[in-house]
Amino acid sequence: EAQVTQNPRYLITVTGKKLTVTCSQNMNHEYMSWYRQDPGLGLRQIYYSMNVEVTDKGDVPEGYKVSRKEKRNFPLILESPSPNQTSLYFCASSHTQNTEAFFGQGTRLTVV
Amino acid sequence: SQQGEEDPQALSIQEGENATMNCSYKTSINNLQWYRQNSGRGLVHLILIRSNEREKHSGRLRVTLDTSKKSSSLLITASRAADTASYFCASGARSARQLTFGSGTQLTVLP
Repeated sequence: EAQVTQNPRYLITVTGKKLTVTCSQNMNHEYMSWYRQDPGLGLRQIYYSMNVEVTDKGDVPEGYKVSRKEKRNFPLILESPSPNQTSLYFCASSHTQNTEAFFGQGTRLTVV
Repeated sequence: SQQGEEDPQALSIQEGENATMNCSYKTSINNLQWYRQNSGRGLVHLILIRSNEREKHSGRLRVTLDTSKKSSSLLITASRAADTASYFCASGARSARQLTFGSGTQLTVLP
């Protein structure tokens, strides 16, 4: 089954404690991206990757890091989480940046 | 970036009625896509219409695209309570680095 898998689904953490949200896709897609979704602000792209070892900033990259060492995986790293990073996060993959996107189920992160 | 706008922001209808949602975008596109999101869940792709198409159907969904007005509409016919969700349009352009999502329409279908 074609899917994008994110983990964890829910996470509560404390300010400053490094965390990683994993994302994996099984469709051999080149393009992967991370979004955060906040009430009233819609979906905002954090980082994207056009292919292995190629990553670039989206609209709201501050406080986040990503890596793309393998085609299937695209982890999101918060080195020092802050309360303003409390949000619902989505990973997505697609063949290219403007084709049908497949989304993960989301990670609800709370930073206290 | 959020360049798309959708209206209405919220729509409440009775089961069996049709629901129409509109989307406007700002730049030239290669395609326009519609997604559905159940509360707190990931977005699910519904339909893609290319810039050289004017209308497309998929089951109870009908999408139109007017590139001269930079607008699209999604019609859901004979709505069901299970159609309750948020619906987002997303414009795709080869020159852009990402899909550009609209702000979404929250549809509630009352049984």
